[in-house]
Amino acid sequence: GAVVSQHPSRVICKSGTSVKIECRSLDFQATTMFWYRQFPKQSLMLMATSNEGSKATYEQGVEKDKFLINHASLTLSTLTVTSAHPEDSSFYICSARAGSIAKNIQYFGAGTRLSVL
Amino acid sequence: AQTVTQSQPEMSVQEAETVTLSCTYDTSENNYYLFWYKQPPSRQMILVIRQEAYKQQNATENRFSVNFQKAAKSFSLKISDSQLGDTAMYFCAVSGETSGSRLTFGEGTQLTVNP
Repeated sequence: GAVVSQHPSRVICKSGTSVKIECRSLDFQATTMFWYRQFPKQSLMLMATSNEGSKATYEQGVEKDKFLINHASLTLSTLTVTSAHPEDSSFYICSARAGSIAKNIQYFGAGTRLSVL
Repeated sequence: AQTVTQSQPEMSVQEAETVTLSCTYDTSENNYYLFWYKQPPSRQMILVIRQEAYKQQNATENRFSVNFQKAAKSFSLKISDSQLGDTAMYFCAVSGETSGSRLTFGEGTQLTVNP
């Protein structure tokens, strides 16, 4: 299957700093990538849809100035958590859609555990 | 709008036995796709099986098969010959063509395979 690389896998930062998470599709081009947040023992919550060359579409309740998304190429999307606070601590997962909308298969990165002190 | 319901928060099964995980969904789309993903302790999401709603034949992937009942909006996952490596959280999900391929996930079922 298609491979999606997410980096870093774990990051610890101080409150007030910014953290960037990268999501790369390694063996396919992804015009659309997705960013999720997952709390312990809960399901995935979609934060935003990232489209190559255009602005991301954020889900209701997600602050776009807090979670900056850039999708500058067909293989790379980045999520920057700006001025991170302890409540931003969570598990963040990206996915990339392989193929056309008709195939609709998303492949996931391994996730990033963010801890804000 | 799309919703997915998994009514079994936890299930367990003995190694080599068969287990079925339940999922019901709702969608306003005419063309949609259903998925089962597993998330083992590593937390890597792995696609298990996929079903296109316009296909009547149930999808099968080795030991994994689905029972797709379109009228009842039911999409259960059967795991045959369960293995210890099947221990994971299993998420049912739906995606429609007009929703921009956004996945809506259920709450998940934690499956434990016992030796």
